Amino acid sequence: GENVEQHPSTLSVQEGDSAVIKCTYSDSASNYFPWYKQELGKRPQLIIDIRSNVGEKKDQRIAVTLNKTAKHFSLHITETQPEDSAVYFCAPRAAGNKLTFGGGTRVLVKP
Amino acid sequence: GAGVSQSPSNKVTEKGKDVELRCDPISGHTALYWYRQRLGQGLEFLIYFQGNSAPDKSGLPSDRFSAERTGESVSTLTIQRTQQEDSAVYLCASSPGLPSSYEQYFGPGTRLTVT
Repeated sequence: GENVEQHPSTLSVQEGDSAVIKCTYSDSASNYFPWYKQELGKRPQLIIDIRSNVGEKKDQRIAVTLNKTAKHFSLHITETQPEDSAVYFCAPRAAGNKLTFGGGTRVLVKP
Repeated sequence: GAGVSQSPSNKVTEKGKDVELRCDPISGHTALYWYRQRLGQGLEFLIYFQGNSAPDKSGLPSDRFSAERTGESVSTLTIQRTQQEDSAVYLCASSPGLPSSYEQYFGPGTRLTVT
């Protein structure tokens, strides 16, 4: 099965700075790469995703970059704000409709 | 439209009792997933239903755990003879099950506490 690792496990940044989270996966057949955000006490929600025919996708302050050769993809958050504080999960898809969730990265944005 | 709903929202049970957790997916979603999330931890995959195919039960931690789904609608997760380590939030998610959309929509979860 797919092995997924996220780094770092925790990330503390000053408001306005950038944050980057990296996700590595093992299955070269993976072709869909989403990031989910889970605020404290709430359900996970999709914030951005990318497919394997694209190298980068941007949506306002967040972006995802993909390196299929190296089997990793990253979440980039620019101009961080306190509401970006949450746990972020990567969840690559290898087969069927099943996603494999990483262990999560806890991001704290300090005002 | 209506999102994924789960019931009950909270459940406190005594060790050794059986519990049933319910998930109502988004109408028309063919894929349904159950996850377990212990406090401060990640999402632990339990089971996955896709249409009429045999479910993927590879994440069920023991034979005390089972799940059923009626067609493409409601699903129930049953935990028999509950143990304290079963205490967690149980999340259900559904997905359209189409190549055009793999996004999973999560319910609010059921917080299970085993005393």
